[in-house]
Amino acid sequence: KQEVTQIPAALSVPEGENLVLNCSFTDSAIYNLQWFRQDPGKGLTSLLLIQSSQREQTSGRLNASLDKSSGRSTLYIAASQPGDSATYLCAARGLNYGGSQGNLIFGKGTKLSVKP
Amino acid sequence: EPEVTQTPSHQVTQMGQEVILRCVPISNHLYFYWYRQILGQKVEFLVSFYNNEISEKSEIFDDQFSVERPDGSNFTLKIRSTKLEDSAMYFCASSEARGGPSYEQYFGPGTRLTVT
Repeated sequence: KQEVTQIPAALSVPEGENLVLNCSFTDSAIYNLQWFRQDPGKGLTSLLLIQSSQREQTSGRLNASLDKSSGRSTLYIAASQPGDSATYLCAARGLNYGGSQGNLIFGKGTKLSVKP
Repeated sequence: EPEVTQTPSHQVTQMGQEVILRCVPISNHLYFYWYRQILGQKVEFLVSFYNNEISEKSEIFDDQFSVERPDGSNFTLKIRSTKLEDSAMYFCASSEARGGPSYEQYFGPGTRLTVT
């Protein structure tokens, strides 16, 4: 059964710092991995989706990498801003479960706080 | 930009009552999902829906739950007899296709269900 873990649970950094959020998954047979942002009491905003055949995806100041063999993904945020403060979730969709339409298995998230 | 919408944003109900949560997926999407997030816990998959039938469901999605696409735009989740432990944020999501980049799931803002 797939388990997704995110470390650390919380992270506080000063504005302008580059940072890395970590996501690990136990079953390397994933179809893709998706990173989301969640603001308090709000829905999930999709940030990046990495297919299993890709090693990284970039969107603006965000870069997500995927290493299936080690069961890891990272989300790199460059030049962090106070507006980046939110909880960041990663979610994996597997090949061996979830069917062809597939469901996402989520980590618990990393709560990021960027101090001005 | 097209988005998934959900109504109501907050629903309070008494234990044993029926509730219907409503979602309008993105118009050209074909795959629909419900997830829930109990306060402080991970986002959990409930059910996926395609071509007017359930394609997959989790252990959480028991006989008390049902889904329906009553018309060409709405997607609903019904809980027949609510329990205290059904209190959670319920998220609807949709995706255009079953694979590739178009698999990316887009989430609505959620409905907070409080069962008293």
